Amino acid sequence: AQSVTQLGSHVSVSEGALVLLRCNYSSSVPPYLFWYVQYPNQGLQLLLKYTTGATLVKGINGFEAEFKKSETSFHLTKPSAHMSDAAEYFCAVSDGSGGSQGNLIFGKGTKLSVKP
Amino acid sequence: DAGITQSPRHKVTETGTPVTLRCHQTENHRYMYWYRQDPGHGLRLIHYSYGVKDTDKGEVSDGYSVSRSKTEDFLLTLESATSSQTSVYFCAISPNSGSTDTQYFGPGTRLTVL
Repeated sequence: AQSVTQLGSHVSVSEGALVLLRCNYSSSVPPYLFWYVQYPNQGLQLLLKYTTGATLVKGINGFEAEFKKSETSFHLTKPSAHMSDAAEYFCAVSDGSGGSQGNLIFGKGTKLSVKP
Repeated sequence: DAGITQSPRHKVTETGTPVTLRCHQTENHRYMYWYRQDPGHGLRLIHYSYGVKDTDKGEVSDGYSVSRSKTEDFLLTLESATSSQTSVYFCAISPNSGSTDTQYFGPGTRLTVL
């Protein structure tokens, strides 16, 4: 079974500073990994995903994440935070198979605040 | 934006009453999902559908039922609402299994059970 842990329920950074949101996963098979973002009072939208291939994945709005198998991590980064990045971020994992076993398991979320 | 609507957007009801939430899509995607979002729990899958009349349970299906009689509509029913079902409910759709493909989320329904 898959599981995902997001370290830190709240992260606060200054505008222009590095954003680092941490995600560690547990999976018995090669994982599929996702980051979703939720802006206030909205549904989630995909930032980026890792399925196979290149371990450094680039997403929308300048975000990227690196799959590190040895560390079972998929941390999300952005070099320079913008006020518009304030949102809640969810890491998710699946085993890539169909059926209920392949459904996404979401982390509990990390709320990012950006200070002017 | 993916064409997903949820209705109602807000609902207040009383314990013991039946409630039905509707998800409607215009994308003709095969997969549809119902999640609930609660503080400190992230999103948890309630039920999902992989085609018309084809549904399966998720992680937190107790107390919920679903139906999908048309590709575009996925209904979530609380047969007898309880206060523990107070939550924000999200519908999502995906052209292929959401475990490998992007899921597109609706705007959510905020349900309060008194």
